Amino acid sequence: DAGVTQSPTHLIKTRGQHVTLRCSPISGHKSVSWYQQVLGQGPQFIFQYYEKEERGRGNFPDRFSARQFPNYSSELNVNALLLGDSALYLCASSFIRQGGTDTQYFGPGTRLTVL
Amino acid sequence: GESVGLHLPTLSVQEGDNSIINCAYSNSASDYFIWYKQESGKGPQFIIDIRSNMDKRQGQRVTVLLNKTVKHLSLQIAATQPGDSAVYFCAENMGGAGSYQLTFGKGTKLSVIP
Repeated sequence: DAGVTQSPTHLIKTRGQHVTLRCSPISGHKSVSWYQQVLGQGPQFIFQYYEKEERGRGNFPDRFSARQFPNYSSELNVNALLLGDSALYLCASSFIRQGGTDTQYFGPGTRLTVL
Repeated sequence: GESVGLHLPTLSVQEGDNSIINCAYSNSASDYFIWYKQESGKGPQFIIDIRSNMDKRQGQRVTVLLNKTVKHLSLQIAATQPGDSAVYFCAENMGGAGSYQLTFGKGTKLSVIP
């Protein structure tokens, strides 16, 4: 089975621009979470989506937004890019069990560089 | 806010030896913990997880120990191999059942000496 896939692999933008990152979860997984990983640090939670609804949001500004589509794929959008947004953006998918907490499986990430 | 941290940022071990990577967590309400391995240029790879109602869990060459009394988590890798060289992160789920918000530590870099 294919794992979590993300596109593009790498992206270079300039300050003030907008970016859209895409994620396809593992088949059968209905939850998608987004994380930002700055070089030398652990991933930091941005959003979780399940059944097209936002179920959790981390401490990120409103410039960050996301959505989930009927096929459970997801997009992360970042507006008005800042230099500090340069990072590896990771998508993780999970199979949701009622009342349980399941493993999150990560994709390879999108490396965003803001110049 | 509370966060997950690691005792050692770097660890060098001889090939064939056992490795132990430690992690301290501060949120007593966390009920789920995961160890991830991240190789350079790749996303985190799931290694093993443990729920708060357990003290120990074993996988293939890996064991996770959870000590809730002192809020400590460890990952033991048996017969460490060069392919185990990577950065290892512990992560905790502080949101309870149904929450998928993980909090990660900064990571420990494991280097295996051939």
